[in-house]
Parts: sequence; structure tokens; C-alpha cells
Amino acid sequence: GAVVSQHPSRVICKSGTSVKIECRSLDFQATTMFWYRQFPKKSLMLMATSNEGSKATYEQGVEKDKFLINHASLTLSTLTVTSAHPEDSSFYICSARGSGRSYEQYFGPGTRLTVT
Amino acid sequence: GQNIDQPTEMTATEGAIVQINCTYQTSGFNGLFWYQQHAGEAPTFLSYNVLDGLEEKGRFSSFLSRSKGYSYLLLKELQMKDSASYLCAVYGGSQGNLIFGKGTKLSVKP
Repeated sequence: GAVVSQHPSRVICKSGTSVKIECRSLDFQATTMFWYRQFPKKSLMLMATSNEGSKATYEQGVEKDKFLINHASLTLSTLTVTSAHPEDSSFYICSARGSGRSYEQYFGPGTRLTVT
Repeated sequence: GQNIDQPTEMTATEGAIVQINCTYQTSGFNGLFWYQQHAGEAPTFLSYNVLDGLEEKGRFSSFLSRSKGYSYLLLKELQMKDSASYLCAVYGGSQGNLIFGKGTKLSVKP
């Protein structure tokens, strides 16, 4: 199956700093990428959807100025958590969808963010 | 609105069969996925159903009834490594996004 990578896998940052998470599709072109967050023992919550070269579409309740998403190429999307606070600590997962098999999404391994 | 229901937890014995049910109510439907997720890891794809009926893939099978808004994941010959959360997800909604249920935590005991 298709491979999606995320970097870093774990990050600890201080409150008030910004953190960038990268999501790459390694062997296919991802026309659409999705960013999810997951709290312990909870399901995945979609934060935003991004199409290459377009502005991301954010879900209701997700602050677009706090969670900056860039999808500059068909293989790379980034999520930047700006001015992070302890409540932003979570598991962030990206997924990617190619243009061929239109409904199948491939997930990255996730990034564990801890804000101290 | 969008609603996907599945049991929170299930327990089964190694070597047995377990069925995890999922019911959904979404404003659109373009298929239903089952994912497996081990603690601290990202979900991995198990199955995709878009037409009614049973899809079999090795020890795992998935069933869909669109008229009933119902699916199940059947796991046979359970192994200890099958202990994980199983997520039901529907491709639907006004934006055509993947909507996840809360997951069923399966514990396989010897």
C-alpha cells in the first residue's frame, strides 16, 4: 500500500512556542491531505482538509490562525501549531488521498505533541 | 447530523470469533471503512465496503447493509496481537470527508 510519513514522531515544546509537523506521501501524489487530532481514548477528530495549492478548509471550532496548514506540493503538507499551550498537547495524525483510488486514505504514523 | 455508533469495549478469547458492530447516520454515503489502531499508533486500513454484502480478507471480514445503516467487522481465529481499537469510518457528509466512530477497544485474552 501507499506510504505516508510524518516528522517528528514526538516533540516536546514550551508553552508559547510554535511547532511544525511535516506530512509526506512517499510513493504517490497526494491531491488531498487531512489533519486529525486524537485525545486519549477518543476517536480521530478531523481538523482540516487541504488540497494542493489551495487554502485549507477548517472544521468548525478549529482556529485557522492557530493551526496553520500548508500544502505546497503534491507530496508535502505541514501543520504549524502556533503559540502552543498545554491544551494543544495531543496526537496529531495526517492522512493523504491520491487522485487514482478516490476514497482510500493512507495515514501517517502520527506525531505526539507535548506542550509544557 | 452525522452519527456513528460502535461499542466502546469488547473482550474475546484467543482462537475465538468476534463481531464488532457499527451503525451510522450520515448525510451522504460513499463507502464504509474499518481501521485497526494500536495504542499510540496511527490507524491502519482493514477493509472498505461500498456495496451491500460481505467482503472477506483472510481472518477479517466486513459486512455492509446500506438500507439499515449497519456494518460489522468479523475477526476469526483471534490472536493476541489483534488486541487493538477498531474504528468504523464512513465516507460521507456534506464535504465528502471520512467520519470516524469512537472506536471499539478489543481485548483478546489467552
